[in-house]
Amino acid sequence: EDQVTQSPEALRLQEGESSSLNCSYTVSGLRGLFWYRQDPGKGPEFLFTLYSAGEEKEKERLKATLTKKESFLHITAPKPEDSATYLCALTGGGNKLTFGTGTQLKVEL
Amino acid sequence: KAGVTQTPRYLIKTRGQQVTLSCSPISGHRSVSWYQQTPGQGLQFLFEYFSETQRNKGNFPGRFSGRQFSNSRSEMNVSTLELGDSALYLCASSLESPGANVLTFGAGSRLTVL
Repeated sequence: EDQVTQSPEALRLQEGESSSLNCSYTVSGLRGLFWYRQDPGKGPEFLFTLYSAGEEKEKERLKATLTKKESFLHITAPKPEDSATYLCALTGGGNKLTFGTGTQLKVEL
Repeated sequence: KAGVTQTPRYLIKTRGQQVTLSCSPISGHRSVSWYQQTPGQGLQFLFEYFSETQRNKGNFPGRFSGRQFSNSRSEMNVSTLELGDSALYLCASSLESPGANVLTFGAGSRLTVL
């Protein structure tokens, strides 16, 4: 059974204080690992897809990396608008995604 | 380009009632998936429809059902509601691609069962 574990559950940062979110996973055959951002009262918003170990993708202050057992979402010099819940999900095939329970990020001035 | 539209956004039902939720996918997207989101369990896959056929199903009881119409719009139904069915129900649509498909989510329908 596919499993995704995210840590920490919650993270509070000062503006400009860089950090990383962790996503550990087990899957029989990884077809894709996704990162989504979810704001209160909204649906998840797609950030990245990673396909194989060693792959990295960047978007503004966010960088996602992938190993055979983990993915990290690095946040560099975060701003208050980066505050959200970050969700990791994977698929072994098709559109059935297995999600982690998320990391709730709060960035303060 | 319009996103994924879900209606209603909020609804309150009582135990034993049934509910129907609607989802209009992004134009051109033929796959529609449904997920249940609760504080304790996070997002859990309910089912996926493609070209009016259920292509995949999660581990939910038979009280949860869905369908897709020829215009790709989808509905999900929950019968004999239980308190534990209170959740945010999210619909997502996607294109078919050679790699992993990117799901675009709607804002959800928040169901409260009293």
